[in-house]
Amino acid sequence: DTGVSQDPRHKITKRGQNVTFRCDPISEHNRLYWYRQTLGQGPEFLTYFQNEAQLEKSRLLSDRFSAERPKGSFSTLEIQRTEQGDSAMYLCASSLEIRGGETQYFGPGTRLLVL
Amino acid sequence: AQKVTQAQTEISVVEKEDVTLDCVYETRDTTYYLFWYKQPPSGELVFLIRRNSFDEQNEISGRYSWNFQKSTSSFNFTITASQVVDSAVYFCALSESPFGNEKLTFGTGTRLTIIP
Repeated sequence: DTGVSQDPRHKITKRGQNVTFRCDPISEHNRLYWYRQTLGQGPEFLTYFQNEAQLEKSRLLSDRFSAERPKGSFSTLEIQRTEQGDSAMYLCASSLEIRGGETQYFGPGTRLLVL
Repeated sequence: AQKVTQAQTEISVVEKEDVTLDCVYETRDTTYYLFWYKQPPSGELVFLIRRNSFDEQNEISGRYSWNFQKSTSSFNFTITASQVVDSAVYFCALSESPFGNEKLTFGTGTRLTIIP
């Protein structure tokens, strides 16, 4: 059973550059979530999709951030004009919509460093 | 708004000791889910348990046990006979949805170090 995968695992970029991260959820999971985690903190919710529909976006998701899930399978998170404050671990999770209670399973994360 | 508090920032115990990690939550909803995740040094969050607000039964899984008390809004996690492999950061999380989906609100985590 393949888990959630994320690519790349690490990214170093210069301030002002654009970066894009990819997340592949567990097969058949229809919900996909993005979180951001900074050092010493718990993950903070950014956005989530049910199939290809983006259902909720956090206020943390400024207009420099955009997420897509075009065919309801993998998702991409793009950050435009990166700032040093964007340095963090970006975590993706997926879950299967069921009535008995869902569990989000997380990927290994993409660690972003903005210089 | 929902909130999760893990007041213990760091805990160190000697191997084989028991240790309890505290979690206190705030929510106005009557239906919600609580979770515990483990984050080892590799960084990947590992799911440990999910509990809904209507199920106050304590749960035991091997050396792990969870004590859910609605009256005190707490969902504490105990590791019995701790082992070095238990060293990690542990997060408690809350989902204010009837099915445990939608966003999770995490606490700031407790870093647990087991000393050999």
